[in-house]
Amino acid sequence: AQKVTQAQTEISVVEKEDVTLDCVYETRDTTYYLFWYKQPPSGELVFLIRRNSFDEQNEISGRYSWNFQKSTSSFNFTITASQVVDSAVYFCALRGETSGSRLTFGEGTQLTVNP
Amino acid sequence: EAGVAQSPRYKIIEKRQSVAFWCNPISGHATLYWYQQILGQGPKLLIQFQNNGVVDDSQLPKDRFSAERLKGVDSTLKIQPAKLEDSAVYLCASSLIRGRYETQYFGPGTRLLVL
Repeated sequence: AQKVTQAQTEISVVEKEDVTLDCVYETRDTTYYLFWYKQPPSGELVFLIRRNSFDEQNEISGRYSWNFQKSTSSFNFTITASQVVDSAVYFCALRGETSGSRLTFGEGTQLTVNP
Repeated sequence: EAGVAQSPRYKIIEKRQSVAFWCNPISGHATLYWYQQILGQGPKLLIQFQNNGVVDDSQLPKDRFSAERLKGVDSTLKIQPAKLEDSAVYLCASSLIRGRYETQYFGPGTRLLVL
């Protein structure tokens, strides 16, 4: 069975603050893939990043960075110098190698960035 | 490149009525998915198509839900008859390849309200 836990239901920050969204996962697969998606109020899920379990290198893309730690089964997402446009629901998702293409999503974290 | 298209964007019906949603995936994407996203939750996979064949429909309530992808391109999801608990956003996604490098891209969704 696969499970993704996003313990933070809602986070509210002031613009320019840094914010970290937590994601903890469970899987019995030795090979798996982790994803982050952004869902703005318009409803569309926007793909942000895919991380393979066999690649633990952390990644930075502009103001976004991701910290993948196999030892703690976590894949956390940090936004540096947050902006109002970052306000959205963020989902962490997991796909195990034995689950075909099925994505297991967390419950999501509602991020509100206030001016 | 055009994204995943869905219509209608919103639909309000009364319980026991029927409803259908349409999805046109990204051009060339062989794999198509339908997800159900209940308010406050992450998306849950309903059905997955590879070309015009069903790969995974284990979580589709087959007594009332049906889906088809007759020509291997666009797809229709139908609910007949609808129940109050079917109120949700129905998301369509597509991917170019399967396997370890697969990434699913989502459409804007159809928001269904059953009264």
